[in-house]
Amino acid sequence: GAGVSQTPSNKVTEKGKYVELRCDPISGHTALYWYRQSLGQGPEFLIYFQGTGAADDSGLPNDRFFAVRPEGSVSTLKIQRTERGDSAVYLCASSWGTATGELFFGEGSRLTVL
Amino acid sequence: GENVEQHPSTLSVQEGDSAVIKCTYSDSASNYFPWYKQELGKGPQLIIDIRSNVGEKKDQRIAVTLNKTAKHFSLHITETQPEDSAVYFCAASSGAGSYQLTFGKGTKLSVIP
Repeated sequence: GAGVSQTPSNKVTEKGKYVELRCDPISGHTALYWYRQSLGQGPEFLIYFQGTGAADDSGLPNDRFFAVRPEGSVSTLKIQRTERGDSAVYLCASSWGTATGELFFGEGSRLTVL
Repeated sequence: GENVEQHPSTLSVQEGDSAVIKCTYSDSASNYFPWYKQELGKGPQLIIDIRSNVGEKKDQRIAVTLNKTAKHFSLHITETQPEDSAVYFCAASSGAGSYQLTFGKGTKLSVIP
């Protein structure tokens, strides 16, 4: 695939459950980002990876949220003890490097917490 | 941190007319200002961007202007077409990390045939 791939596209879970969202970036892109988009809002920055390490996780709302990118390609966003307020579309993006430039977004994973 | 305000929230224009969307930002250190288009059920897609050392940039029917003194920038779409209908987001880099974009709340543009 040529674009950023995110799975699942939709996830419905119950309050208190654990959730994993997966992102497969464009091949060769070293930078990977997670953003969260609530209904009627613009995307909000969560975390940025350069290679395998989280270069900036200042956007993660609390310690229930965690993300990994163990081999510098695929990333997983993990949410523990989900709350109804976590319901949103989680967007992943990738880019060639750290300089400002185009972010290539996936179609997102829509999370609904009942 | 950076704060980006975007207006209007909705905009309807007749096909062939021009559309203008305006944004203001708060952090004078911000130096990168992209515009993204988001269609229903899709991720945002970059349509044009501008850096702080440039006042205006044009790409076919789309142009962006930047006024650093006033801390505002605008998107201009001329000769609008129905396929321009989408939600448009402006964004600004935080300055501290150019990868960390702060987005406006979006403008839903409807082009009426």
